[in-house]
Amino acid sequence: GENVEQHPSTLSVQEGDSAVIKCTYSDSASNYFPWYKQELGKRPQLIIDIRSNVGEKKDQRIAVTLNKTAKHFSLHITETQPEDSAVYFCAASMDSNYQLIWGAGTKLIIKP
Amino acid sequence: DAGVIQSPRHEVTEMGQEVTLRCKPISGHNSLFWYRQTMMRGLELLIYFNNNVPIDDSGMPEDRFSAKMPNASFSTLKIQPSEPRDSAVYFCASGFGGFYYEQYFGPGTRLTVT
Repeated sequence: GENVEQHPSTLSVQEGDSAVIKCTYSDSASNYFPWYKQELGKRPQLIIDIRSNVGEKKDQRIAVTLNKTAKHFSLHITETQPEDSAVYFCAASMDSNYQLIWGAGTKLIIKP
Repeated sequence: DAGVIQSPRHEVTEMGQEVTLRCKPISGHNSLFWYRQTMMRGLELLIYFNNNVPIDDSGMPEDRFSAKMPNASFSTLKIQPSEPRDSAVYFCASGFGGFYYEQYFGPGTRLTVT
């Protein structure tokens, strides 16, 4: 079955700098890759997603890139702000089922 | 829409007691997911339903856990008997299968078993 690995487990960056979180997946049939953000004590919420027919997608300060050949995708956050502090989860899914296979999460710390 | 509704929000119970967690998905969604989240194990999928039918329950830890979805607007997750290691936050999420796979999470139920 599908397996998703996420790195790093913790990332600390200076406010205003960029942050990059990387995920790899194992099943080439996966074609949908969302990113969820979970603030402390809150529920996970979708922040951006990408499908396999697209290589990059941007939404203001966040972007996701996908390399199908290498089977990895990344979340990029530019000009980080204190409110970006959270745990970020990547996931992968395919058309044959509605299940998301989740990464282990990355705790992003924004230092003032 | 009120979003996914879960009850109770907090539950404290003694070991051996039965616990029932409830979830009302977003109207019109046809997929429902139960997750458990702990610091040690992260976010784990326990079971998911599509059109009220259980599709994959391989994540249910043991026979003490059971889940039902009697209709499109209600689901329960039951633990009987409960144990201290069941302490966690339990999330219910719903989605609409098809092109868009976004899962909308409820606020979660924080379960403490003493």
